[in-house]
Amino acid sequence: SQQGEEDPQALSIQEGENATMNCSYKTSINNLQWYRQNSGRGLVHLILIRSNEREKHSGRLRVTLDTSKKSSSLLITASRAADTASYFCATDAIVQGGYQKVTFGTGTKLQVIP
Amino acid sequence: EADIYQTPRYLVIGTGKKITLECSQTMGHDKMYWYQQDPGMELHLIHYSYGVNSTEKGDLSSESTVSRIRTEHFPLTLESARPSHTSQYLCASSEYYTGVLETQYFGPGTRLLVL
Repeated sequence: SQQGEEDPQALSIQEGENATMNCSYKTSINNLQWYRQNSGRGLVHLILIRSNEREKHSGRLRVTLDTSKKSSSLLITASRAADTASYFCATDAIVQGGYQKVTFGTGTKLQVIP
Repeated sequence: EADIYQTPRYLVIGTGKKITLECSQTMGHDKMYWYQQDPGMELHLIHYSYGVNSTEKGDLSSESTVSRIRTEHFPLTLESARPSHTSQYLCASSEYYTGVLETQYFGPGTRLLVL
């Protein structure tokens, strides 16, 4: 099963409201990233948070990481219609041979209504 | 805007045809990936490569094959397309670090429909 699972699966809010989505993972990680995907397009990297960090900001984005609960949250403040997209978390794990493998979560579909 | 390209963007093809999905990046990245994604669903890693002449299978079993003869090029081939192969295929690349989760840069994707 997927390393990362996001909830909610889908979220619909009014423009101007805040949107919060969560990611839970199963095994220990080094780092966690959030990506955004517009409909029918590739993913775009938003923000990275390292395992020794608890919170990180980038513009209207705020990411938290709780390694004891194996969870992360992405908060988008003052949402805009252009924020409508799917959001995925990605975690890393060391696999055989010492290589690093990245696993994406199930995604949260965010709809921001103008 | 990431310098990673996929062609074609859309492909509608009949069962039994051989197809190749192209992926190229101009960033000099060592690592490249292929993901399969059904509409609105999660990404599944089907192939990845650490560099030239390196190819590995991902988490999701796939009947496709890949090759990495040049750093910038990572094509995916289906010898005999079937309706079950209908999906979106995303190519990505990243620099090769150890110990740090590298950012992946994604292409726009190829939507494949097999009739």
